[in-house]
Amino acid sequence: QVQLVQSGAEVKKPGASVKVSCKASGYTFTGYYMHWVRQAPGQGLEWMGWINPNSGGTNYAQKFQGRVTMTRDTSISTAYMELSRLRSDDTAVYYCARAGITIFGVVIPTGDYWGQGTLVTVSS
Amino acid sequence: EIVMTQSPATLSVSPGERATLSCRASQSVSSNLAWYQQKPGQAPRLLIYGASTRATGIPARFSGSGSGTEFTLTISSLQSEDFAVYYCQQYNNWPPGGFTFGPGTKVDIK
Repeated sequence: QVQLVQSGAEVKKPGASVKVSCKASGYTFTGYYMHWVRQAPGQGLEWMGWINPNSGGTNYAQKFQGRVTMTRDTSISTAYMELSRLRSDDTAVYYCARAGITIFGVVIPTGDYWGQGTLVTVSS
Repeated sequence: EIVMTQSPATLSVSPGERATLSCRASQSVSSNLAWYQQKPGQAPRLLIYGASTRATGIPARFSGSGSGTEFTLTISSLQSEDFAVYYCQQYNNWPPGGFTFGPGTKVDIK
């Protein structure tokens, strides 16, 4: 069965960086794009970007350009999201989500499987 | 950037009743719209994609409709497990993106 297991909670100081991992199992990791989405406490969902695990290609939301880096290690079927220059308003739960639906070979980029979320707290 | 709005912010419904949730896009997104359900402390769950196609395992009481800028999620007969927050998301600029979510509609027990 498809599973996305994320790394544990993090507490960081303002200005630091955080790297969250998302280990995939139960499917071919390189076959599906991976999104990253975050959710501040009591707030809605915010898309951050995606990575193509096959090519390593990425696309980031404009808001995070220059601060976010998405990478992957295909040898261990793991995607990573690193956010730098953290601020207090980056405190949120960060999710990875597989874009797993294809119709006649066309990728439908909606998240069909999600990780459990990683809480990142930014506090001095 | 395409801005998504949802109404109402909160919908109070009795079990067994019908719930109708609305989502509007600031410009046409064709049928490139998804709906997600999120319960407290859980990750979102994909319900609908392509505006009207139920995702795998989603009960038939969930249905989506609309195209362009106006969309609706209907839950035909609310079950206890359906009380949650529902988000719409557009993906019209794919590839490469970006994707934007609506602010959500909370469905709670009347």
